[in-house]
Formats: sequence, structure tokens, C-alpha cells
Amino acid sequence: GAVVSQHPSRVICKSGTSVKIECRSLDFQATTMFWYRQFPKQSLMLMATSNEGSKATYEQGVEKDKFLINHASLTLSTLTVTSAHPEDSSFYICSARPEAGATSYEQYFGPGTRLTVT
Amino acid sequence: GDSVTQMEGPVTLSEEAFLTINCTYTATGYPSLFWYVQYPGEGLQLLLKATKADDKGSNKGFEATYRKETTSFHLEKGSVQVSDSAVYFCALSDRNQGGKLIFGQGTELSVKP
Repeated sequence: GAVVSQHPSRVICKSGTSVKIECRSLDFQATTMFWYRQFPKQSLMLMATSNEGSKATYEQGVEKDKFLINHASLTLSTLTVTSAHPEDSSFYICSARPEAGATSYEQYFGPGTRLTVT
Repeated sequence: GDSVTQMEGPVTLSEEAFLTINCTYTATGYPSLFWYVQYPGEGLQLLLKATKADDKGSNKGFEATYRKETTSFHLEKGSVQVSDSAVYFCALSDRNQGGKLIFGQGTELSVKP
């Protein structure tokens, strides 16, 4: 149980285009999903917290107009990188927190999406 | 604010050696503590967790005990395997922080046959 999927797993796009990444909780409902960015050999950096039916909460320094987050249902959140540039190339990971896990706040992670902007 | 500090890697061990990865934390509230593992090119997998002081989390031969007096959550395994080679992240989640996960910097483990 507690499986989270991401799509696509890898994407290459040209500078100036937009890319959408999907995050789905497959066997549980998630009121809250999180989006992280990870640079090589580094820890995860939380970008934003996504709550179903409301606006995402962005961490300091993250451009909300560049990284658009939509949490349309209890099993799906999307991250759109708008007008991507080479510096946006990174490994993007989502996670989801089950309703039943609220007491311990554990999160389950997707496999990640490798974005390369050329 | 809350933070997590892990021992620096990379850690290189021979197969069947004993593993300890140190993790200490600072938190204003009463956090839950986690160890996550990341294999190359993949997302994170929850390895084990503990939600209150003196709890011991265990899974796949790994274990860690929530020590409030030393604010620590060290990861141990008695006999590592080559397949345990990965990056290990200690993390905490504090209700006072809205349940966000705060990660340590990660420790890379390499197990040689």
C-alpha cells in the first residue's frame, strides 16, 4: 500500500516551453501533497505544499508564477514549470500524506521526474 | 527553527559489517522521526519511523530508537548487504510546522562485497 506515482519519469524540453508533471496517490487519498526539488548529491528542498481544493503554499524563494501547482482531487496534484530555463533542470519529487497518517505526518514519495531543459 | 543533522558521508563498509548512521535533531515541539532511503535515480522510500520518545522503529534489519534526552535517532543495522547501498535521510515532522518534513543532508552508504 501507500504507492505514489509520477509521470513522466524523464522529460527533456526546450528553453521557454512549459512542462507538466503529475503526481498521483494510487491506493489512498491525500489531502496534502508536497513538491520537492533535489540537486545532485543534495538533500530535498521543499518547494510547496499542495492542499486539495485550495491554493498551494510556497516556500520562501520559490516563484509561484513559475512553478504552478494544482491539486484538483484527493489523488492528483500537478506541477507545471512555466517558461522553463536550463537552471530549472533538476530532479522533482512529489510526496503525499495519507489521511490516516495524520498523527505521525509520514509522507510517501513518488519515484521522481528528471527534467532537463536544453 | 527545527533542524536535522546527519553524519557526513560517504560511508563505505564491507558486507556483513555493522552500520551506524548518526542523526540528531532540534525541534520546538514533539516531532515524529523518520528514516528514508533513496536508491540511485529513484524517489524516497520510508524505511522506519518513531512517533514518541523511546519508540523503536524497525524494518528490514534496520532499527532506530527515538531518544528525547539526547535528541537523537541513530540508524543501525547489524549486518549490511551490498543491496543496502543507497542514500539515507533522517527527517522529522513537527505538528508545530504544519507537518512538513525537515530532512537531514543525507548520508551515502556504499557496501562492498
